[in-house]
Amino acid sequence: GDSVTQMEGPVTLSEEAFLTINCTYTATGYPSLFWYVQYPGEGLQLLLKATKADDKGSNKGFEATYRKETTSFHLEKGSVQVSDSAVYFCALSNNYGQNFVFGPGTRLSVLP
Amino acid sequence: DAGITQSPRYKITETGRQVTLMCHQTWSHSYMFWYRQDLGHGLRLIYYSAAADITDKGEVPDGYVVSRSKTENFPLTLESATRSQTSVYFCASATGSNTGELFFGEGSRLTVL
Repeated sequence: GDSVTQMEGPVTLSEEAFLTINCTYTATGYPSLFWYVQYPGEGLQLLLKATKADDKGSNKGFEATYRKETTSFHLEKGSVQVSDSAVYFCALSNNYGQNFVFGPGTRLSVLP
Repeated sequence: DAGITQSPRYKITETGRQVTLMCHQTWSHSYMFWYRQDLGHGLRLIYYSAAADITDKGEVPDGYVVSRSKTENFPLTLESATRSQTSVYFCASATGSNTGELFFGEGSRLTVL
């Protein structure tokens, strides 16, 4: 079946450092790929998405590119802030949106 | 306001009691989902629904019951709560499009004593 693998962390960075969170997937067909963010005590919010190969999703300084050849969707940000401290989930959607698969989440802590 | 709302946000109950967590969405999305989130297990799908009166089991359905008599509501019932059901429960909805995302509620934190 479909699956998502991501580095589990925790990841601790200093403010203004470069962030990469790796995500790889296994899926049949042509899934859509997502990054969700969960701030403490809140639900998951969509951070960005890409729906086909070579698409780049971007939002709030975060970027991820849908790489079909390497089945990857790595999340990057050039300069993290303390306010980016959260848990980040990589996910895919297949089968016309009735099958969402999530990675285990990566906890990011950014220190001032 | 439009969106997806869960109630109650916090609930403490005792083993053996019945508990119902409510979920309401205002977008008329076809699909609705219930997940539980536990440390070390990430998000696990309990049940989902493709439309009113259509529900199906997810990864961890045992001990839970759902219904969907109206498109906008998707309640989750724990018929006889156990301590292992202590968790944070998230309701979510989606349009059913292959490119569409999940929209999550804020979660319901349930503690079973």
